[in-house]
Amino acid sequence: EVQLVESGGGLVQPGGSLKLSCVASGFPFSSHSMSWVRQAPGKGLEWVAVITRDSSGLYYADSVKGRFSISRDNAKTSLHLQMSSLRVEDSAVYYCVRDWVGVSIPLFDYWGQGALVTVSS
Amino acid sequence: DIQVTQSPSSLSASVGDRVTITCRASQGVSRSFAWFQQKPGKVPNLLIYAASTLQSGVPSRFSGSGSGTDFTLTISSLQPEDVASYYCLSYFGGPRTFGQGTEVEIK
Repeated sequence: EVQLVESGGGLVQPGGSLKLSCVASGFPFSSHSMSWVRQAPGKGLEWVAVITRDSSGLYYADSVKGRFSISRDNAKTSLHLQMSSLRVEDSAVYYCVRDWVGVSIPLFDYWGQGALVTVSS
Repeated sequence: DIQVTQSPSSLSASVGDRVTITCRASQGVSRSFAWFQQKPGKVPNLLIYAASTLQSGVPSRFSGSGSGTDFTLTISSLQPEDVASYYCLSYFGGPRTFGQGTEVEIK
């Protein structure tokens, strides 16, 4: 059974930092790209960042570029999102999502339960 | 980066109606396009990938079409359990982009 379990969410002051983690199981983690997606309360889905299977490709949404850093540890089947210079508008539920593995194969088919990040003074 | 414009933002239709949601990408994305359904308090559920491939377990009343810049999600016969928000996603190249979402309700 595929499982994605996020941790590290919480309350942080504007300008602060937070690191989210996601532990994956039930599938060949090192074969998949992995993404972070966020959703502010009552708002739509916003893609945040993606990392290729070997960490050679890192891509970010313009809204987080230069402030957030995505990384992974294939040996520990874990995905991370280091968030710094946090803003009130970064408040959201952050989802770890299984991304690309190959042509004509489903992607974004498994999502974690989400980690709530609240940026407030 | 690619921008995706989704329409309409909301719609109301009767049970049994045919419902269509569209997305337009700012540049060609081939068939690297997906559709999701999200019900309140739940994580999004993949409906369609590769523009028109139905994800396993998704009812056949859902279908996707399009390539290049214009994509469509169709619900052939709207059911009460289809009340939800729907999102499109472009995954061409590196960055991904979601559409703004469409709220579907029953008239």
